[in-house]
Amino acid sequence: DGGITQSPKYLFRKEGQNVTLSCEQNLNHDAMYWYRQDPGQGLRLIYYSQIVNDFQKGDIAEGYSVSREKKESFPLTVTSAQKNPTAFYLCASSAGVDGNEKLFFGSGTQLSVL
Amino acid sequence: AQTVTQSQPEMSVQEAETVTLSCTYDTSESNYYLFWYKQPPSRQMILVIRQEAYKQQNATENRFSVNFQKAAKSFSLKISDSQLGDTAMYFCAFMKHVTNDMRFGAGTRLTVKP
Repeated sequence: DGGITQSPKYLFRKEGQNVTLSCEQNLNHDAMYWYRQDPGQGLRLIYYSQIVNDFQKGDIAEGYSVSREKKESFPLTVTSAQKNPTAFYLCASSAGVDGNEKLFFGSGTQLSVL
Repeated sequence: AQTVTQSQPEMSVQEAETVTLSCTYDTSESNYYLFWYKQPPSRQMILVIRQEAYKQQNATENRFSVNFQKAAKSFSLKISDSQLGDTAMYFCAFMKHVTNDMRFGAGTRLTVKP
């Protein structure tokens, strides 16, 4: 089955700790995205990547880092600099081809602070 | 950056009736894409409908249709014959052409009542 896999489903972070959220896709999509969703709110863009080894900051990139070493993978690291990391994190991908623009989403990771 | 505004935080509708969700956006771009996504309690994001800005014809997907007013920068979603399974958060989204940078509104929580 083609799709996007996010892991883990639930993640707990201790004070001062960096944690990494995994996102893998087997849709052969060029573009990948990370969004943050707070309770009862919309999705805010953290980072996105249009091709391997390239990525751009979204609206709330501070305290987060990403890498795109492989087309299939776009991990997100929540660093200790992110003081309020508790949120639901959604990864998405897009073919990025004219006429086929839409986002496919993973099932999300709920991050909580211990 | 483009902004997307959904002015109705919550709405409710009786089963089998019709409801319209509002969305406005702000952009200086002439070529872009607009979307409505649904997020049920499972939190999985599901694409409802997609509109290309250069197409004047309003998109339709079964019971879902849009009223796209490009000059007014308005993109409302009409749900006909509402069903209990339509209960969800609905997000309006804007994607800039070429960059594939997608931004979301804050969402409208729709409840369909039996």
